[in-house]
Amino acid sequence: DTEVTQTPKHLVMGMTNKKSLKCEQHMGHRAMYWYKQKAKKPPELMFVYSYEKLSINESVPSRFSPECPNSSLLNLHLHALQPEDSALYLCASSQGGTSRDEQYFGPGTRLTVT
Amino acid sequence: AQSVTQLDSQVPVFEEAPVELRCNYSSSVSVYLFWYVQYPNQGLQLLLKYLSGSTLVKGINGFEAEFNKSQTSFHLRKPSVHISDTAEYFCAVSPGTYKYIFGTGTRLKVLA
Repeated sequence: DTEVTQTPKHLVMGMTNKKSLKCEQHMGHRAMYWYKQKAKKPPELMFVYSYEKLSINESVPSRFSPECPNSSLLNLHLHALQPEDSALYLCASSQGGTSRDEQYFGPGTRLTVT
Repeated sequence: AQSVTQLDSQVPVFEEAPVELRCNYSSSVSVYLFWYVQYPNQGLQLLLKYLSGSTLVKGINGFEAEFNKSQTSFHLRKPSVHISDTAEYFCAVSPGTYKYIFGTGTRLKVLA
């Protein structure tokens, strides 16, 4: 199984809402990632978890809160978002964190903030 | 600082014609190179990667790429494209732990 799954597929939320994005992989990968992708742009790294610990936070605003409950699951909690946060949010995983490791991407959650 | 340049933002090509998508990188150290494809409304899928060894790398869906260290290039090629190859293609380098540096992407549009 080389699949990364993400739910929901689409999400519309108001600026005062609280919602969560979920990501799951069963490949035994030890590193998991959140990316944000705006239209016609490459993905931008947000967070990296390695062995269930937060390794990288790319200076992401606190209205985005990641969580890694176990080695297979990754959540992104959203609160008080702004319209400019509307984007495709991609989850990825890799075997480890070395530069040789390819990343496996999920299909993404299309987020619209109204 | 390391960077990746994809000079062509869009490449239109007729079906069954060959295509080359260009990628140049700058790096003072050894890097690992990747090509990913993103179909509309989907995540990224790995096409191929160069880690070491043979400079000609074969990937999925009939794509191949050639690593040229002297030219610092990693161009992607396909001898005959299909309509289904229409997608966004990203070149990426992995200079260190966890991080990719992505190029800005090339939109391949295959015309009937």
